[in-house]
Amino acid sequence: EDQVTQSPEALRLQEGESSSLNCSYTVSGLRGLFWYRQDPGKGPEFLFTLYSAGEEKEKERLKATLTKKESFLHITAPKPEDSATYLCAVQAQYGGATNKLIFGTGTLLAVQP
Amino acid sequence: DTEVTQTPKHLVMGMTNKKSLKCEQHMGHRAMYWYKQKAKKPPELMFVYSYEKLSINESVPSRFSPECPNSSLLNLHLHALQPEDSALYLCASSQPGTSGYEQYFGPGTRLTVT
Repeated sequence: EDQVTQSPEALRLQEGESSSLNCSYTVSGLRGLFWYRQDPGKGPEFLFTLYSAGEEKEKERLKATLTKKESFLHITAPKPEDSATYLCAVQAQYGGATNKLIFGTGTLLAVQP
Repeated sequence: DTEVTQTPKHLVMGMTNKKSLKCEQHMGHRAMYWYKQKAKKPPELMFVYSYEKLSINESVPSRFSPECPNSSLLNLHLHALQPEDSALYLCASSQPGTSGYEQYFGPGTRLTVT
């Protein structure tokens, strides 16, 4: 069964304290792994797409990496405005031409000044 | 432009009311989605439209009725909802197909059923 697991469930950091969020996945035929940021009461904001093991992408203080079993979202010198829930999702290979995502339960990040 | 718009932002309705949620995108995407999200949970897929045809219905109760009038618009018609249907309803769009196209989400409609 296709599955996505994120850890930790919650993470509290001091401003400037770098850390990583983990997304482990079990899926047959990975088509893409996606990272989203979600602020309370708002829709998820797209951050990155990763397609194959070894791939890395960066945006400001965020860097996403991918292996055959997991992805990491590295946060370097975070600021309070980085506080949000970070969601990981995978697209698996299904019959037909439909794009269906499987989401993890998210990591709630709080960055304290 | 990667914007998906949703109206209304908030909606309060009684269990006997009929209301509709609207979603619009102008990115030329041909796949559109409805998700339901409860507090502290990830989005839960409800419906997928691909090229204006319903391609996935995740066993959603018939009190939710989707409609895709054209490639830019997506509606969700609501009738005889239950209090447990209160949630954030999200619309998303993407290119269709299985090639790892990212989905772009709207801001959501906060629905409260009284």
